[in-house]
Formats: sequence, C-alpha cells, structure tokens
Amino acid sequence: DIQLTQSPSSLSASVGDSVTITCRASQTINIYLNWFQQKPGKAPSLLISAASSLQSGVPTRFSGSGSGTDFTLTISSLQPEDFATYYCQQTYTTPYTFGQGTKLEI
Amino acid sequence: EVPLVESGGGLVQPGGSLRLSCTASGFAFRSYWMHWVRQAPGKGLVWVSRINNDGSSTLYADSVKGRFTISRDNAKNTLYLQMNSLRAEDTAVYYCVGHDFWSGYVPFDPWGQGTLVTVSS
Repeated sequence: DIQLTQSPSSLSASVGDSVTITCRASQTINIYLNWFQQKPGKAPSLLISAASSLQSGVPTRFSGSGSGTDFTLTISSLQPEDFATYYCQQTYTTPYTFGQGTKLEI
Repeated sequence: EVPLVESGGGLVQPGGSLRLSCTASGFAFRSYWMHWVRQAPGKGLVWVSRINNDGSSTLYADSVKGRFTISRDNAKNTLYLQMNSLRAEDTAVYYCVGHDFWSGYVPFDPWGQGTLVTVSS
C-alpha cells in the first residue's frame, strides 16, 4: 500500500497567517492527490483534486502543488473558518490511502 | 439538497451484521463510481470499498475483504454496504462518497453526512 505522511501533525496559527502543509507519498503517485478539509462532527469536504485543481466554490486562498511524491497545501491569509483538520489522499492506486491528518489550530 | 444521505448505522454485537444504505439525489448517480470511507472515533480516514458505475466491479480494503459487500441499485439511486462478522475495530462513522469517473483524477466528491456504526457487547 502507498503510505502518505503529512507534516506537521498539528499547527498553530493566527488569522491572517499563511500556512503550508506537506504530504509525502511512499512511491510516485503522479498528480493523483486530493486535499480535504474536515471540521468537527462533519464530513470531509474536497478542496483540491489532481494536486492543484481547486474545486468550485473553494476560496482562492487555498492552493495545492506538487507531483510525484511531494505535495503541499498552502492556505494564505487564514480566516477563522479555516481552522480544521486537513487530509491528503492518493487515488493513484487502490487502496486509496489517506494521510494521518494535520490539525490547524488557533 | 444533500446529495448523499446514509442510513442504517447503530449498535451491533461483535459477530453481528448490519446493512448501510446511501441514497443519492441531485446528481447523475448511475454515472458515478461510489466508495465507502470510514473514520473511527478520533482517528483518520480509511477507504473501505469501491464499486463502479454499473456494479460490475468491486474492490475492498484487506481489513474488510470477505466480510463486507458493496452493491448498488441504480434504479433506486442507492448504494449499500452489507457488513457481516463485525468486530470492535469496525466501530466508526461510515461515509459514502462518489466520484465522477470522467473527471480523470478520482476526485472524492460528493460525501454523505456519515452514519455511526458501533460494535460492542
């Protein structure tokens, strides 16, 4: 199975800050990489697919980059509603594994 | 309108069975490949199973292979997960998720709100 390692596991930041979350795959996954946001008690929400393609309705302060094994999610100018847990997921091959999550806290 | 609504979760004893349902609306369900993803309390997301758009192809995580069966009824816009021989470690919120096959890179969207399965005596 392909392992995804996110760093950091948790992150403290303030409104207005810019933050970057990294996701590293144990083998190449081309750009088959999704990013999700999950708030407590809610289902995950797709932010970015194909490593850098922003989903409709997602604010442009979210951006993704990378290919192969190394990927990043950047959130610029953090807003109060951005404090949540973020997951990466590879869809290059089954099982479609997820990273362990990054909790973004104030 | 909520695109996916799960039902069927609840408390079941170890070794028991449960069938989850997921009803779709507002999108072309019969064109979407569908998945089940679970999340144990306080833990991360784990992919469980996938079925293609016409139900002819299924895949499972090793942890549930031989115990869980995914199926769909496109006439009813409904996805199912039959769970047998349940174990304590199957306790989780189960989400149904769709992906548009023609989108290329398997975007997992939309998601249901989840249904909680608790396996305990």
